[in-house]
Amino acid sequence: GNSVTQMEGPVTLSEEAFLTINCTYTATGYPSLFWYVQYPGEGLQLLLKATKADDKGSNKGFEATYRKETTSFHLEKGSVQVSDSAVYFCALKKGGSEKLVFGKGTKLTVNP
Amino acid sequence: DVKVTQSSRYLVKRTGEKVFLECVQDMDHENMFWYRQDPGLGLRLIYFSYDVKMKEKGDIPEGYSVSREKKERFSLILESASTNQTSMYLCASSLISSAGELFFGEGSRLTVL
Repeated sequence: GNSVTQMEGPVTLSEEAFLTINCTYTATGYPSLFWYVQYPGEGLQLLLKATKADDKGSNKGFEATYRKETTSFHLEKGSVQVSDSAVYFCALKKGGSEKLVFGKGTKLTVNP
Repeated sequence: DVKVTQSSRYLVKRTGEKVFLECVQDMDHENMFWYRQDPGLGLRLIYFSYDVKMKEKGDIPEGYSVSREKKERFSLILESASTNQTSMYLCASSLISSAGELFFGEGSRLTVL
């Protein structure tokens, strides 16, 4: 079946540090891939997405590249801020389905 | 802006009670979803609806039912609440053409005693 595996958290960084959150997926065909973010006390919101191999999604300084050869979609940011503290979810969507499959989430805390 | 509103942020219920969680979206989205969020387990899909009166089971439908009588409203029903249904419940909606962009409500934290 379709599944998403993301790195276990929590992740704690200092402000301006480099961030990587690993995400790999298992799916047949060519799914679309997503990163969602959940800030404290809020619902999830879309951070970025990529719909085909080698696409790069980007938003708010975050980037992720759809790597079909390694079935990965790792999230990166060059310099994190305290305001980036949140839970990050990797997700996939198979073509022809409206449903998303989410990873377990990675909690990021950025200290000043 | 799309708004997805969940009727209650916090509920406390007793074992065996019937519980209704309500969700309303204001952007005429065809799809609506109920997820459950638990620490260490992430989000798990309970039910999905792609049109009025249409529903599809997700990964963990046992103990839950849903109702979609109007396009903007999607209700999650716990017929007889149990302690293992203590959780955060998230409602979401999307357009069929949205290529996977879901809009989420703020969540309803349910505690069953």
